[in-house]
Amino acid sequence: KNEVEQSPQNLTAQEGEFITINCSYSVGISALHWLQQHPGGGIVSLFMLSSGKKKHGRLIATINIQEKHSSLHITASHPRDSAVYICAVIGGTSYGKLTFGQGTILTVHP
Amino acid sequence: EADIYQTPRYLVIGTGKKITLECSQTMGHDKMYWYQQDPGMELHLIHYSYGVNSTEKGDLSSESTVSRIRTEHFPLTLESARPSHTSQYLCASSRGLTTRETQYFGPGTRLLVL
Repeated sequence: KNEVEQSPQNLTAQEGEFITINCSYSVGISALHWLQQHPGGGIVSLFMLSSGKKKHGRLIATINIQEKHSSLHITASHPRDSAVYICAVIGGTSYGKLTFGQGTILTVHP
Repeated sequence: EADIYQTPRYLVIGTGKKITLECSQTMGHDKMYWYQQDPGMELHLIHYSYGVNSTEKGDLSSESTVSRIRTEHFPLTLESARPSHTSQYLCASSRGLTTRETQYFGPGTRLLVL
């Protein structure tokens, strides 16, 4: 079993829909990243969380440390949101090394 | 926009060739990382560095080697490329000494070994 599990693995939505991607982890962490990877492109860090909730534009990320769970929400989804979304955690003693989930492939149709 | 660069972006090379993937960052970050990602798969850490003259192997065993002679430069070398090395290689960097630092990723190098 992976230390970081994401669900769903694939997600298809219509433009305008509210989207939720979930991430559960089984290790103690000091922080959690949500990353976005476009086809053929590099990776962009969307959020880094250690507690609570963060919002940036249409993106919202939450984390519940007690439940070892984080969610990434996209409101009013758009085709340009189509990408792979990756959850990654930094363990308490891992000196900044990330452990990655398998990614969620999001496709938003117009 | 993070200033971290990788060259080449794409490389097709024959078996047995020596290759060096370049990674440079202009942010003065102490920590740098190399990740390997096969298509549709997770990223795996193969090397990292805390600073000049510091390099460590990551969680995934790799036949590549790295060096960190300058803060801004973290090249990865394969002495003899093989088809099993075909993958995407991503370089990243982060500032400071704590674990809670955002990692900034380069655009990646897609390597195909024939």
